[in-house]
Amino acid sequence: NAGVTQTPKFQVLKTGQSMTLQCAQDMNHNSMYWYRQDPGMGLRLIYYSASEGTTDKGEVPNGYNVSRLNKREFSLRLESAAPSQTSVYFCASSEVGTSGYNEQFFGPGTRLTVL
Amino acid sequence: ILNVEQSPQSLHVQEGDSTNFTCSFPSSNFYALHWYRWETAKSPEALFVMTLNGDEKKKGRISATLNTKEGYSYLYIKGSQPEDSATYLCAFIYGNAGKSTFGDGTTLTVKP
Repeated sequence: NAGVTQTPKFQVLKTGQSMTLQCAQDMNHNSMYWYRQDPGMGLRLIYYSASEGTTDKGEVPNGYNVSRLNKREFSLRLESAAPSQTSVYFCASSEVGTSGYNEQFFGPGTRLTVL
Repeated sequence: ILNVEQSPQSLHVQEGDSTNFTCSFPSSNFYALHWYRWETAKSPEALFVMTLNGDEKKKGRISATLNTKEGYSYLYIKGSQPEDSATYLCAFIYGNAGKSTFGDGTTLTVKP
């Protein structure tokens, strides 16, 4: 099992360019998440998806869109990149256990720089 | 935006010292509290999932307690080793689908 995979690992964009970050999981989890991590801060939730076909906003959704393509895949799109979106982006997945939500499994991250 | 606070922000200890950190979270809409260990250049990995008030979990030299009524959790490391050096994150799980808010983390450095 690969767990959670993300592509690309690194990306440099110019202001105004668009791109899509890809995430896939092979653990048959229902819930998937996108986070950003900035220096000195923890992980901030951008968007999440409870199941295939559903998405909802997290703490910092502005400037992003998401697509839950199927149960495995959850993509994050930047329509018009801004320098403030320079960050490391993590995708994660989890499943509901018998006593609540189980731990989240994280991908390796995508380091994005917007010039 | 929910307020999840971790203290201290950073900690430097000597090998063999025992240490503890705090995670404070809202006392309402509680589903679970997670602890993660995050090593440099890697991804966060789960240590504990805590769901019930009074929960105590242990994994080797690391343990955690949970008080949902007052909104805090403690993480303890007994006899710290250099390989314990990492950032420790807590995540407050609330609402539908495991929606979560993370604290900013406590960075532990253990000197040999």
